[in-house]
Amino acid sequence: NAGVTQTPKFQVLKTGQSMTLQCAQDMNHEYMSWYRQDPGMGLRLIHYSVGAGITDQGEVPNGYNVSRSTTEDFPLRLLSAAPSQTSVYFCASSYTTGGASYEQYFGPGTRLTVT
Amino acid sequence: QKEVEQDPGPLSVPEGAIVSLNCTYSNSAFQYFMWYRQYSRKGPELLMYTYSSGNKEDGRFTAQVDKSSKYISLFIRDSQPSDSATYLCAMSPDNYGQNFVFGPGTRLSVLP
Repeated sequence: NAGVTQTPKFQVLKTGQSMTLQCAQDMNHEYMSWYRQDPGMGLRLIHYSVGAGITDQGEVPNGYNVSRSTTEDFPLRLLSAAPSQTSVYFCASSYTTGGASYEQYFGPGTRLTVT
Repeated sequence: QKEVEQDPGPLSVPEGAIVSLNCTYSNSAFQYFMWYRQYSRKGPELLMYTYSSGNKEDGRFTAQVDKSSKYISLFIRDSQPSDSATYLCAMSPDNYGQNFVFGPGTRLSVLP
């Protein structure tokens, strides 16, 4: 099991550029999520998905899009990068029972800098 | 006031010390409480998971929840240099992943 994988590990973008952060899991987890981690702020939820074809917004969704066409993959798209999106991005997944999530497994993160 | 607060540290202790890490929160609806450990440049990993009030022990780690004071703690006994990491608390009212609220983390250094 590779667990949760994320690519790329590092990325530098110019303001206005777009890109997709990839996330994949091989644990057949229904629930997947994207967080950003900024100093002093804790992990903040961007978007989440409770299954293929179902996504919803988290606490800080502006400027980001997601889709979930398969159970395994949950890409995060930055539409027009801004310096405020400089952060470390983590993807996580967990199995669910009756909608409730249990242990969230996190990927290694993508460090994004927007200049 | 932030919903979940943690002392950011850094906290430095000698090897073998007992470490106490704490979080306070404001939302009385929180019932599920978690501690994550995050090594430098890695993703968080779940250490402890407790429901409602009380204590839970796992090896050198003890999680304590005091809902009346809205205060949770993680104790590490016989701390080791390998415990050097950032510790994040997280909590949720209903065990739905999208409702987890994370603290900002406390950075711990255990010195040999």
